[in-house]
Amino acid sequence: AQSVTQPDIHITVSEGASLELRCNYSYGATPYLFWYVQSPGQGLQLLLKYFSGDTLVQGIKGFEAEFKRSQSSFNLRKPSVHWSDAAEYFCAVVPDFTGGGNKLTFGTGTQLKVEL
Amino acid sequence: GAGVSQSPSNKVTEKGKDVELRCDPISGHTALYWYRQSLGQGLEFLIYFQGNSAPDKSGLPSDRFSAERTGGSVSTLTIQRTQQEDSAVYLCASSGYNEQFFGPGTRLTVL
Repeated sequence: AQSVTQPDIHITVSEGASLELRCNYSYGATPYLFWYVQSPGQGLQLLLKYFSGDTLVQGIKGFEAEFKRSQSSFNLRKPSVHWSDAAEYFCAVVPDFTGGGNKLTFGTGTQLKVEL
Repeated sequence: GAGVSQSPSNKVTEKGKDVELRCDPISGHTALYWYRQSLGQGLEFLIYFQGNSAPDKSGLPSDRFSAERTGGSVSTLTIQRTQQEDSAVYLCASSGYNEQFFGPGTRLTVL
């Protein structure tokens, strides 16, 4: 079955440390890939997206993600985490934009805690 | 306000009652989506509207759930005869092309 996996439910990092959040997908073709962030009591905010082309994409708030077709992965990274980055992060995919609209399938999320 | 708005922000209801949740999308966006976020199921797609086309209802969990979109703008999600398992945050998103913008959600609690 098609799915999105975020293997880490919780991650704790120190402020200033680097961060990598993992995301793997299982689809026959390369889907369209997204990372969203959700702060407590807030809706989802798009950090970045990948459709095609350069496999390293830059997003807002200093985040980047790298698409690796061979590993079916789209991991999110940040070189230096700030306390305000504490939130829940969701990886999401759209299998394709033809016919079925842009229905997002989400991973289960990774809760990020930042230690001062 | 340029973003997606949802009302009410919180709704507490009794089991068996009907509820209506409202979504105001970004002006000009032709696509509108409803998702549900719950502890047990995570984030899941419910229904999708695109312009004047028939909605994609493939994610609705039961026939107690329905939604409409009037005039290609505001949407209402209706849950009839609410059950405790309907307790969740209901998120609305709108899209002009390939990026979805989410509202803050409505937290529904069924007692």
